[in-house]
Amino acid sequence: GENVEQHPSTLSVQEGDSAVIKCTYSDSASNYFPWYKQELGKGPQLIIDIRSNVGEKKDQRIAVTLNKTAKHFSLHITETQPEDSAVYFCAARGGADGLTFGKGTHLIIQP
Amino acid sequence: DAGITQSPRHKVTETGTPVTLRCHQTENHRYMYWYRQDPGHGLRLIHYSYGVKDTDKGEVSDGYSVSRSKTEDFLLTLESATSSQTSVYFCAIREVDEQFFGPGTRLTVL
Repeated sequence: GENVEQHPSTLSVQEGDSAVIKCTYSDSASNYFPWYKQELGKGPQLIIDIRSNVGEKKDQRIAVTLNKTAKHFSLHITETQPEDSAVYFCAARGGADGLTFGKGTHLIIQP
Repeated sequence: DAGITQSPRHKVTETGTPVTLRCHQTENHRYMYWYRQDPGHGLRLIHYSYGVKDTDKGEVSDGYSVSRSKTEDFLLTLESATSSQTSVYFCAIREVDEQFFGPGTRLTVL
């Protein structure tokens, strides 16, 4: 089955700086890669996703890149703000069944 | 929240008792999922459904069963709860490729 590795587990950045979270996947058949943000006590919230026929996607301050050859994808957050502090999860899916998640990155925005 | 509700939101039970968690959706989505979330493991798929009475196992299905007799409801049952099933349980629906999650149920098995 699919295996998703996510790094780092904790990331601390100064407010206004950029943050990058990286994930690798094992199954070359995976074709959909979402990113979720989870705040304390809440369910994961989809923030951006990318499909395997696209190399990069951007939505305001967040962007995701995908390298199918290397089987890795990354989340980029620019001009970080205090409300970006949360746990972020990457995931991958190849078929009709559910997502395989990374173990999460705790992003801390330092004032 | 994509019209997803979960009940109960919190439950404390004892080892060996049966427990049923309910996921309810209002938007007629075909696919529904149950995940559990544990520290250090992220979210892991328990079971999923691709239609009424159509279900399949996920990565961590041992000790769990599911039922879907109506499109809007997906039930997760722990036949005999164990302490290792203490977790936060999330239901999700799928809309095209995107999955949207409910608010979760925190289950404690003593």
